[in-house]
Amino acid sequence: GAVVSQHPSWVICKSGTSVKIECRSLDFQATTMFWYRQFPKQSLMLMATSNEGSKATYEQGVEKDKFLINHASLTLSTLTVTSAHPEDSSFYICSAPGGGSRTDTQYFGPGTRLTVL
Amino acid sequence: GNSVTQMEGPVTLSEEAFLTINCTYTATGYPSLFWYVQYPGEGLQLLLKATKADDKGSNKGFEATYRKETTSFHLEKGSVQVSDSAVYFCALIGNYGGATNKLIFGTGTLLAVQP
Repeated sequence: GAVVSQHPSWVICKSGTSVKIECRSLDFQATTMFWYRQFPKQSLMLMATSNEGSKATYEQGVEKDKFLINHASLTLSTLTVTSAHPEDSSFYICSAPGGGSRTDTQYFGPGTRLTVL
Repeated sequence: GNSVTQMEGPVTLSEEAFLTINCTYTATGYPSLFWYVQYPGEGLQLLLKATKADDKGSNKGFEATYRKETTSFHLEKGSVQVSDSAVYFCALIGNYGGATNKLIFGTGTLLAVQP
């Protein structure tokens, strides 16, 4: 089946530094990928839609300059949390729709736990 | 806009008990409906889906029926196991032109099954 990986699985950083999270579709191509943030009480919030070859589309209330998204190829999207602060600590998850007949099914990465000290 | 409402947890059951997790939705047009499961320490996995009214999705003993008249997609299992302990998310994708492939999630329901 379709596999999506994320790297790193966890990261701890100091306040003010930037952190890059990678999302890769391993056995299929994805012109679109999605970035979510999962809050402590399990709710999943869509942050942005990453589009290969064009700008990402951000959801209302998500700071574009804070969460930089780059969809460099058909298998890779990156999320950079710039000048991270403790309130950015969270679980970040990416997903990609499957190809062919599976376009209505999302495949999720295992998530990245970010802790900002 | 589109939204998903699911019952709050945690839901605590004994092994072999019957499970129902309610999910209702609001959507324009005819969305596809999904249940995703997140086991401890793992990413979300698709559990089952239904793409049109009256369809029944099923997997691993879980079932959910797409009820357009009640805008519901309740998850059921006749006999839960300890290994079913996880967080369950109801979700939809709108099929009304604009924002296809954009998943809208419910808040998730934690299920804890005790031996």
